[in-house]
Amino acid sequence: DQQVKQNSPSLSVQEGRISILNCDYTNSMFDYFLWYKKYPAEGPTFLISISSIKDKNEDGRFTVFLNKSAKHLSLHIVPSQPGDSAVYFCAASAQEYGNKLVFGAGTILRVKS
Amino acid sequence: GAGVSQTPSNKVTEKGKYVELRCDPISGHTALYWYRQSLGQGPEFLIYFQGTGAADDSGLPNDRFFAVRPEGSVSTLKIQRTERGDSAVYLCASSSQGGMEREQFFGPGTRLTVL
Repeated sequence: DQQVKQNSPSLSVQEGRISILNCDYTNSMFDYFLWYKKYPAEGPTFLISISSIKDKNEDGRFTVFLNKSAKHLSLHIVPSQPGDSAVYFCAASAQEYGNKLVFGAGTILRVKS
Repeated sequence: GAGVSQTPSNKVTEKGKYVELRCDPISGHTALYWYRQSLGQGPEFLIYFQGTGAADDSGLPNDRFFAVRPEGSVSTLKIQRTERGDSAVYLCASSSQGGMEREQFFGPGTRLTVL
């Protein structure tokens, strides 16, 4: 069963506008959530994370929102830049599971200039 | 400092052969993870080391897969009698355990192709 779901396989956004990537999870044991960005032929690069004790974390143009009651998180990128075009993975972990990451299938973001 | 490195970057082998994939974690990171990524999917957990011991190998698909980390640093993922279904990108990640942040830092991966 897919414990972490990214229901949008792809997203296209105009440069300068906001990109919103969504992620849903099912396992209430997850207590830490991460977003990774991946370019072709490279490994995933850590972007931003959030603990379950928070509902928002911001780092420059990137903000992650967590809604625990809905088991939903989202990544906002403002303003979007062409260099943001990549595959974005949502991941979740739980201390009880040794912090191994459970990934979604990814969303391809394309930022058009 | 140096990030996670993996060798080889690409490996092509024939069905039935044995392969070894190597991971050099970030210096000082005690936790090391192996993941496998198939086309169109996110990485899937294989095995986790804390120091030299395998703390969780629940993601290994079968007994053809084995991994070691004898000195608590470099790790080797070993696949016996490879099958075409083993073709994927094998990713290694490391993290420093302890503290509030639990980010894992990934290497570039080894693309394994079994013909």
